[in-house]
Amino acid sequence: GAVVSQHPSWVICKSGTSVKIECRSLDFQATTMFWYRQFPKQSLMLMATSNEGSKATYEQGVEKDKFLINHASLTLSTLTVTSAHPEDSSFYICSARNRGELATEAFFGQGTRLTVV
Amino acid sequence: AQKVTQAQTEISVVEKEDVTLDCVYETRDTTYYLFWYKQPPSGELVFLIRRNSFDEQNEISGRYSWNFQKSTSSFNFTITASQVVDSAVYFCALFNTNAGKSTFGDGTTLTVKP
Repeated sequence: GAVVSQHPSWVICKSGTSVKIECRSLDFQATTMFWYRQFPKQSLMLMATSNEGSKATYEQGVEKDKFLINHASLTLSTLTVTSAHPEDSSFYICSARNRGELATEAFFGQGTRLTVV
Repeated sequence: AQKVTQAQTEISVVEKEDVTLDCVYETRDTTYYLFWYKQPPSGELVFLIRRNSFDEQNEISGRYSWNFQKSTSSFNFTITASQVVDSAVYFCALFNTNAGKSTFGDGTTLTVKP
């Protein structure tokens, strides 16, 4: 089956630094990738939708300059948390939708647990 | 606007019991997709099932079964003869074909005790 790989699985960084999270589709082309944020014991909240070769579409309330998303190829999207602060600590999950299929199940990465100290 | 409601925040059962997780949705779309995912403690989401709005057939997969009723906007999930390994958070989600994105319910935490 389709696999989405997310890296790193966890990261601890100092306040004020930037962290990059990668999301790769390993065996299919993903024209669309989604980035979610999940706080403990809460649901997944969509942060942004990224389409290959174009700017990401951010959900209301998500700071574009803080959460930089790049989707430079059909198999890779990155989320960079800039100038991270403790309140950015969360579980970040990406998903990828297969090229040409409008609504297959979105394949999810393993998630990245970010802790900002 | 669309919404997914999982009214049961937490459910606890004893192994071998049957358990049903409820999911009610709201949408103005006529074409949409419904999903169930399992999130074990490791965090990754495991896809369980997808159902489109035109397919109201119930489905059974091993110990899992799903009941989709468009008339009541519900897509309930039943685990038969539950096992400890079924313990996880289960999410119901609605994919909006117009917007091209999903809305998740708040999740139901299922604990299966031995």
